Amino acid sequence: AQTVTQSQPEMSVQEAETVTLSCTYDTSESDYYLFWYKQPPSRQMILVIRQEAYKQQNATENRFSVNFQKAAKSFSLKISDSQLGDAAMYFCAYKSRYGGSQGNLIFGKGTKLSVKP
Amino acid sequence: DTGVSQDPRHKITKRGQNVTFRCDPISEHNRLYWYRQTLGQGPEFLTYFQNEAQLEKSRLLSDRFSAERPKGSFSTLEIQRTEQGDSAMYLCASSPLRGGGETQYFGPGTRLLVL
Repeated sequence: AQTVTQSQPEMSVQEAETVTLSCTYDTSESDYYLFWYKQPPSRQMILVIRQEAYKQQNATENRFSVNFQKAAKSFSLKISDSQLGDAAMYFCAYKSRYGGSQGNLIFGKGTKLSVKP
Repeated sequence: DTGVSQDPRHKITKRGQNVTFRCDPISEHNRLYWYRQTLGQGPEFLTYFQNEAQLEKSRLLSDRFSAERPKGSFSTLEIQRTEQGDSAMYLCASSPLRGGGETQYFGPGTRLLVL
């Protein structure tokens, strides 16, 4: 079974600085998707960024980028020029591309990010 | 595109009562998912539908839980004989079948408190 581990329960960053959130996963599959979702307090979960495992190029979305290391099974999220609105819980998630469990996302426990003004 | 909606947003019930939640997915999204999220944890998968067919169920979905998507549009999740351990946020998500179907879009959730 696949697992996702986020080893940083909480992180803090100064406004305008850069922060990196860590995620590791365990799988025997070769083709899959990885995601970072953001869940602000009392608000719904939104997609931050997505990575296809077969793509070697790291995904980027404006101030958000990932460092995808397939061999190491690592998928970290870098937030540049942090803004107050980035404060939220961040969840790393895994999804099989093929196989029986095509439906579900497997989430880590999350990292709570605080942004200091 | 109005996004995924869920109703109610909050529900307080007494142990032993039945509750039903509704999810309306994004229009024309074939796939619909239910997750449960407890405090301090990431969401855990419960079940998913492709159109009206329930294709996968988690072991978390005990026999007190039932989900339906009768016409392949909205879905309901019913919990019978609620227990205090059922207190959680219940999240619904949807995705298209193709063209980005791997990305799930979440609703605001229904927060359940069982007293």
